[in-house]
Amino acid sequence: DGGITQSPKYLFRKEGQNVTLSCEQNLNHDAMYWYRQDPGQGLRLIYYSQIVNDFQKGDIAEGYSVSREKKESFPLTVTSAQKNPTAFYLCASSIDGRAADTQYFGPGTRLTVL
Amino acid sequence: AQKVTQAQTEISVVEKEDVTLDCVYETRDTTYYLFWYKQPPSGELVFLIRRNSFDEQNEISGRYSWNFQKSTSSFNFTITASQVVDSAVYFCALSEAYSGNTPLVFGKGTRLSVIA
Repeated sequence: DGGITQSPKYLFRKEGQNVTLSCEQNLNHDAMYWYRQDPGQGLRLIYYSQIVNDFQKGDIAEGYSVSREKKESFPLTVTSAQKNPTAFYLCASSIDGRAADTQYFGPGTRLTVL
Repeated sequence: AQKVTQAQTEISVVEKEDVTLDCVYETRDTTYYLFWYKQPPSGELVFLIRRNSFDEQNEISGRYSWNFQKSTSSFNFTITASQVVDSAVYFCALSEAYSGNTPLVFGKGTRLSVIA
């Protein structure tokens, strides 16, 4: 089955700790994205990558970091510098990142910082 | 700058009623793409439709239909004979071909509740 997997589904962390969210895809897509969703809000772009070893900041990149060492994987680290990290995080991928591309989403990770 | 407005925050309908979700967008590009996604309670966004700016034909897919009107910058979504399984948050989104802005901009979503 082709798709996007995110793990874990729920994640709890203490304030001040870094945490890494996993995103893997087997769709052979070049582009991958990370979004943050807060209650009653739309999705806001954190980072995106259109090719291995390259990525760009989105609208709300402060306090987050990413890597893209493999085409299939795009992990997101929420650092202690992120002031309000509790949110629902969604990963997506698309064929090559052009405007016409359809993005397909994973099931999401709900992060709660205690 | 690109922007998507979904003015309806929440809508409740009784099963079998028709319902229209509004989407108004702003863009300076002449080439752009509009999308609708459904987010059921499980949280995953499900792609519904993509429309490019040069194709103003309305589209129908089963109980779903979309009305794209460039004159009013709107891309509205209608569900005919709604069902309880249609209960979800629906997002409209926009991407511009040449502006170099953020790849996809989402509206804040409309929460649809279909009551049996």
